[in-house]
Amino acid sequence: GEDVEQSLFLSVREGDSSVINCTYTDSSSTYLYWYKQEPGAGLQLLTYIFSNMDMKQDQRLTVLLNKKDKHLSLRIADTQTGDSAIYFCAEIREDSSYKLIFGSGTRLLVRP
Amino acid sequence: DTAVSQTPKYLVTQMGNDKSIKCEQNLGHDTMYWYKQDSKKFLKIMFSYNNKELIINETVPNRFSPKSPDKAHLNLHINSLELGDSAVYFCASSQRGRQGRQAFFGQGTRLTVV
Repeated sequence: GEDVEQSLFLSVREGDSSVINCTYTDSSSTYLYWYKQEPGAGLQLLTYIFSNMDMKQDQRLTVLLNKKDKHLSLRIADTQTGDSAIYFCAEIREDSSYKLIFGSGTRLLVRP
Repeated sequence: DTAVSQTPKYLVTQMGNDKSIKCEQNLGHDTMYWYKQDSKKFLKIMFSYNNKELIINETVPNRFSPKSPDKAHLNLHINSLELGDSAVYFCASSQRGRQGRQAFFGQGTRLTVV
């Protein structure tokens, strides 16, 4: 099917690292994305990874990709209260549909 | 300066009414989308247009009709609104570039049908 799966909820203490996991479906997806949604707001693109990469680091964010297992993760170092939001992974169909398929979202709660 | 803008931001209406949501992008992108986000925050694609042509029409009631007058605009018209149509509707646009096809989203339209 088209389901991209994520765990629904994660709670961490401020200053700790957060790891959000995602399992996607289409092995031909060339790009995979992480989006952040704050309450009452739209989706903001956080980072992306190209499928021929295993890892990408962008300041406090680290993306790991395991193509064999179709597993994607987002690590946020030194998590801050402002990181509290819903995080969506997404894969894009590279056929003519250009369909961006989202996971169910992981709600991250950062406790002071 | 807003890249993808939707209007209105909030829409409260009675069952049976017809309403429209408008979307405009100033990024020069060739593809635009409508997504529906339900109360559990699941995001489902509804429609996609590429260069004004419909390329995705997911299983959506035919009460929903998208219209793309040009590449920069994609409007969504909903007839005979039902309670179950209450959701947040997001417009997005994308273009293939060096970083793949990244989608940029509007702020959403919260539709409440009473």
